[in-house]
Amino acid sequence: DTGVSQNPRHKITKRGQNVTFRCDPISEHNRLYWYRQTLGQGPEFLTYFQNEAQLEKSRLLSDRFSAERPKGSFSTLEIQRTEQGDSAMYLCASSSGAYVGPQHFGDGTRLSIL
Amino acid sequence: GIQVEQSPPDLILQEGANSTLRCNFSDSVNNLQWFHQNPWGQLINLFYIPSGTKQNGRLSATTVATERYSLLYISSSQTTDSGVYFCAVARRETSGSRLTFGEGTQLTVNP
Repeated sequence: DTGVSQNPRHKITKRGQNVTFRCDPISEHNRLYWYRQTLGQGPEFLTYFQNEAQLEKSRLLSDRFSAERPKGSFSTLEIQRTEQGDSAMYLCASSSGAYVGPQHFGDGTRLSIL
Repeated sequence: GIQVEQSPPDLILQEGANSTLRCNFSDSVNNLQWFHQNPWGQLINLFYIPSGTKQNGRLSATTVATERYSLLYISSSQTTDSGVYFCAVARRETSGSRLTFGEGTQLTVNP
């Protein structure tokens, strides 16, 4: 069990650029979640995959956001045409789908928009 | 959606003191987790406790699901306990079990 891995840890980019983050879940976890955390707040749910299927999306996930999980392994979260308001910590979590159990979080990717 | 309220929002302690953090939630849940977020932003799993009582060293937690609250106890606090403590719950639902977080308790432990 190597834990949930996220890359990069930090991303600084100019407004209007596209960014992509990667999440590698705990092996054999078939559920994968993305959350976003802004300063002073708790994390908020963005989207959820069971294997390769994206089963739920929050209304926070605007058209500029897209997430994929090809082959049910790692996942990517892309933000197009970044805006100042996208500055946040993006957290990935995974859990086993065999039973209702805990979600395990990665260390996050901190995005700063200049 | 489900509401999660944590109290107190801020807590300042002297090293060695004990404390109790509370989490109230508005609906039946099938998942409740306590996390510690350190100054580097890492979310550390403390407890998975949808019901009952668990202990891990100086920390313990109790969830009374029928009354919709959970408590986190920290005994003999240390400066390394400083950070934000989050309670997160997932409603009983047919799929997803996405977590809803409270706004956290900011704990500062002074030497």
